[in-house]
Amino acid sequence: EAGVAQSPRYKIIEKRQSVAFWCNPISGHATLYWYQQILGQGPKLLIQFQNNGVVDDSQLPKDRFSAERLKGVDSTLKIQPAKLEDSAVYLCASSSALAAFFGQGTRLTVV
Amino acid sequence: GENVEQHPSTLSVQEGDSAVIKCTYSDSASNYFPWYKQELGKGPQLIIDIRSNVGEKKDQRIAVTLNKTAKHFSLHITETQPEDSAVYFCAASIFGNEKLTFGTGTRLTIIP
Repeated sequence: EAGVAQSPRYKIIEKRQSVAFWCNPISGHATLYWYQQILGQGPKLLIQFQNNGVVDDSQLPKDRFSAERLKGVDSTLKIQPAKLEDSAVYLCASSSALAAFFGQGTRLTVV
Repeated sequence: GENVEQHPSTLSVQEGDSAVIKCTYSDSASNYFPWYKQELGKGPQLIIDIRSNVGEKKDQRIAVTLNKTAKHFSLHITETQPEDSAVYFCAASIFGNEKLTFGTGTRLTIIP
């Protein structure tokens, strides 16, 4: 069974630029999550989708972050404009029941 | 909302000894508690989980215990090996919600 796929693995951008991350969940998983993991901390939920609908986006900084999951499969997370404090690993996860499985993440560095 | 505290933040044990990591949660409605292992440059990997209807679960060298009354749960690793070195995260969620709240992580180092 293929795992959660994310791209790119690494991204370096200047502050105020925009960036997008892509996630392909495990086939058949209805729930998709985007987490932000700052160095030395645990993952923090940004947004949770159930199929193509948003379940929870209470922690998403909506003035600069956006996410979509068209057709209930792949998802993209966008940051525009980026700030220095957005430097982190962005993790995508998917689940079909309780257990969530993570991708390898995208390491974003904002300079 | 849910708050999960995890201790210790770092732990070093001799190879072959046991390691214990402890977590507490605040929301008594939480009823699902997974543990994740994260190696450098990789995403968190689910290693074991427990639901609130059981007090203990084992999988080879790994076990998790849950005390619902005290809102504590712990990860126990026996006969530790160098490949057990990683950062371990506990998490909690409510069945049907599936939103995981993570602890702050424990960096486990196995000393050969």
